[in-house]
Amino acid sequence: DGGITQSPKYLFRKEGQNVTLSCEQNLNHDAMYWYRQDPGQGLRLIYYSQIVNDFQKGDIAEGYSVSREKKESFPLTVTSAQKNPTAFYLCASSPESSQTDTQYFGPGTRLTVL
Amino acid sequence: KQEVTQIPAALSVPEGENLVLNCSFTDSAIYNLQWFRQDPGKGLTSLLLIQSSQREQTSGRLNASLDKSSGRSTLYIAASQPGDSATYLCAVRPLGGNKLVFGAGTILRVKS
Repeated sequence: DGGITQSPKYLFRKEGQNVTLSCEQNLNHDAMYWYRQDPGQGLRLIYYSQIVNDFQKGDIAEGYSVSREKKESFPLTVTSAQKNPTAFYLCASSPESSQTDTQYFGPGTRLTVL
Repeated sequence: KQEVTQIPAALSVPEGENLVLNCSFTDSAIYNLQWFRQDPGKGLTSLLLIQSSQREQTSGRLNASLDKSSGRSTLYIAASQPGDSATYLCAVRPLGGNKLVFGAGTILRVKS
């Protein structure tokens, strides 16, 4: 089946720890995105990547880092510098060359800081 | 800076009712507008995508309209069912980029 997978579904972190959220897609999409969702708020863009080995900061990149070594993978690291990391994290992908296509979303990872 | 607002924040209706969800955006320079559905604790599913040159899109019981000049879109759901209960999110894609700007969503509950 084609699609986007995220793991783990739930993640617990102690304060001061870094954690990495996984995102994999087999849709052959060039572009990938990471969003954060907080209760009562819309999704906010953290980082995005339009091509392998390249990525750009979104609106709320502070305290996060990413890599894009392979087309199908776009892991997100939540560092200890992120002051309020408890949230629902969503990964998405889209054909980069298309301005008219939608983004396809994964099932999300819920991160809780203990 | 593009901002997207959705009204109402929450809506509860009896089964069978027709309903309208509203979305407004501040900058009309967009490629397209999309409506997504999100079930609790899940990812987003695209419902309808309206290009900036289009006025509306339909899929089954769903109809979305776009008035770009006034910065408004509506999602019309006909003959609502309990299975329609979810959060509905509106997002615009500004010109010149791949980013989506999302509204906070409308939480819909359809009572049986």
